[in-house]
Amino acid sequence: QVQLVESGGGLVKPGGSLRLSCAASGFTFSDYYMNWIRQAPGKGLQWFSYVSSTSAYTKYADSVKGRFTVSRDNAKNSVYLQMNNLRAEDTAVYYCARGVGRNFDYWGQGTLVTVSS
Amino acid sequence: EIVLTQSPGTLSLSPGERATLSCRASQSISSGYFAWYQQKPGQAPRLLIYGASNRATGVPDRFSGSGSGTDFTLTITRLEPEDFAVYYCQQYDSSLLYTFGQGTKLEIK
Repeated sequence: QVQLVESGGGLVKPGGSLRLSCAASGFTFSDYYMNWIRQAPGKGLQWFSYVSSTSAYTKYADSVKGRFTVSRDNAKNSVYLQMNNLRAEDTAVYYCARGVGRNFDYWGQGTLVTVSS
Repeated sequence: EIVLTQSPGTLSLSPGERATLSCRASQSISSGYFAWYQQKPGQAPRLLIYGASNRATGVPDRFSGSGSGTDFTLTITRLEPEDFAVYYCQQYDSSLLYTFGQGTKLEIK
């Protein structure tokens, strides 16, 4: 069955960096776009990045552009999120999600990132 | 950027009742790019409806989606206890961006 497992979250100081990973299994990873979506505590969902199946295309929301970088390794069935210059407003649960059509059909369980001094 | 506004913010109903949730877009969007998700506390969201009216795999037929242009609706007939959750709408637009509505909390009355 399809599984997505995020890791790498934790507590980081403002201005710091963190790298999240999402390990995929149960499907042909290289056939799918992969997305990152976050949810601040008690708030709604915010999509902010995707990477195409071959890494040819990436896209970012303005809120993270220039600070976050998405990448993937199809040989390792994994997608990554490098987060730099973190701010308090980046505090959230970070989900990776498989893209199908223009929707997200499978999600990981999420990893919590807390930005605080 | 297209803004999705969901109403009501909270809906209080009893099991067995019918729920009607609304999502309005700030400009017309393609039905093919519209979806609904369900999120229960402590869980990741789950895709319910895609293409505005197509149920995702395993979604019970008491869930249905409709709408076009700027107005979309999620209907749940005969609410079951497990249906009480937060529901989000989502769209994809021509600027290659995805946006979600702010959510509707469906709670037990």
